[in-house]
Formats: sequence, structure tokens, C-alpha cells
Amino acid sequence: DGGITQSPKYLFRKEGQNVTLSCEQNLNHDAMYWYRQDPGQGLRLIYYSQIVNDFQKGDIAEGYSVSREKKESFPLTVTSAQKNPTAFYLCASRMVAVSSYEQYFGPGTRLTVT
Amino acid sequence: RKEVEQDPGPFNVPEGATVAFNCTYSNSASQSFFWYRQDCRKEPKLLMSVYSSGNEDGRFTAQLNRASQYISLLIRDSKLSDSATYLCAILTGGGNKLTFGTGTQLKVEL
Repeated sequence: DGGITQSPKYLFRKEGQNVTLSCEQNLNHDAMYWYRQDPGQGLRLIYYSQIVNDFQKGDIAEGYSVSREKKESFPLTVTSAQKNPTAFYLCASRMVAVSSYEQYFGPGTRLTVT
Repeated sequence: RKEVEQDPGPFNVPEGATVAFNCTYSNSASQSFFWYRQDCRKEPKLLMSVYSSGNEDGRFTAQLNRASQYISLLIRDSKLSDSATYLCAILTGGGNKLTFGTGTQLKVEL
């Protein structure tokens, strides 16, 4: 089955620790995205990548880092510099080669930092 | 003004009713629009794309009003299973980004 996987589903960390969230897709999509969602707020873009070894900051990149070493993978690191890391993190991907812009989401990771 | 605005609801409607939500946007250059459905504590799932004036898929119709800068989602013959939050998104950043509204919550009741 093709799709986007994110692991783990729930993640708990102590304040001051870095944590890496996994996102893998086997859809052969070119572009990948990371969003965070907080209660009562819309999805906010953290980082995105359109090709391997290249990525751009989104609207709220401070305190986060990413890498794109493989087309299938786009891990997100939440660093200790992120002031409010507790949130629902969603990874998405889309095909760039065709003239459509639909993004498809993985199941998300709920991160709780105490 | 926010880039994308939605009435948070909730919209409580009886089963079988027709319900419509609007989503207003501020960037008049936006060309592509999307409706996603999000169930509680789940990921958003693409419901419809709107690239021109509108789109229809079964009980769901999306329409674009460029003059007034809003898109609408109409759901006919509401089912209990339609209960969810509906997010609208517009294409920004030269086609590289989607900007999302905060969502409209729909509750369909017996």
C-alpha cells in the first residue's frame, strides 16, 4: 500500500531534549512538508522540501531543523530552542511534476514535552 | 486580516439537512483552493480541489467566488458520518505552500 507513515504516533519528552520525528512516503512524491497544529489553530508550515538535499523555511521554522537526504524521507528535529513544542505534527507530500497541488497527509505525531 | 478565515462553528444540523460553509481569503492572486476533512485527532484528508469556478463530487459541491474572495462547501443530505472539521486551504508562495484556515466544525445529529 502506498502512503505516508509517521512514527511514533505519540511521543513524550522532557524539556531541554531534542527529538526527531520520522516521516516516510512511498508515493514517489517530490515535495514534502511539515506542519504543526495546535488546538483552535490552523495548520502552520514549519519546513518544506521540493527536491532532495534542498529545503526551505516555512512560517514558523525557529527551533526546528530538517534534512532531505532521500526522496522518501523528511525527518523533523524539534530542538530545545523551540519554546512551545507540544503540538500535533503532520507531514505531507505531493507530486510536483504534474500541474496539481494537492497535498496528502500522514497520520501525525502527537508530541508532548513536559 | 487573516490570510484565510473560517467560521469555527459548530454547525449543528439534523441528518438529511443541507449545510454550507464559507472560507474567505485575502490574497486575490490565489489560483487554487482545497477543502480537507479532519476527524477528531486524525490527519486532514483531501475532500475536494477547486481550480476554476467550482467542483462537485456526489453530495459535496465546492464553489469559488473570486469577486468576493471566498470559497464555499455545500453538503447535501447530511449524514452522521459527515460530522468532522472542514478545513479550507489556499495555494500561496508561488505554488509551493498551502495556507490553511482554522476549520469549521460540523455536527450532524439524529
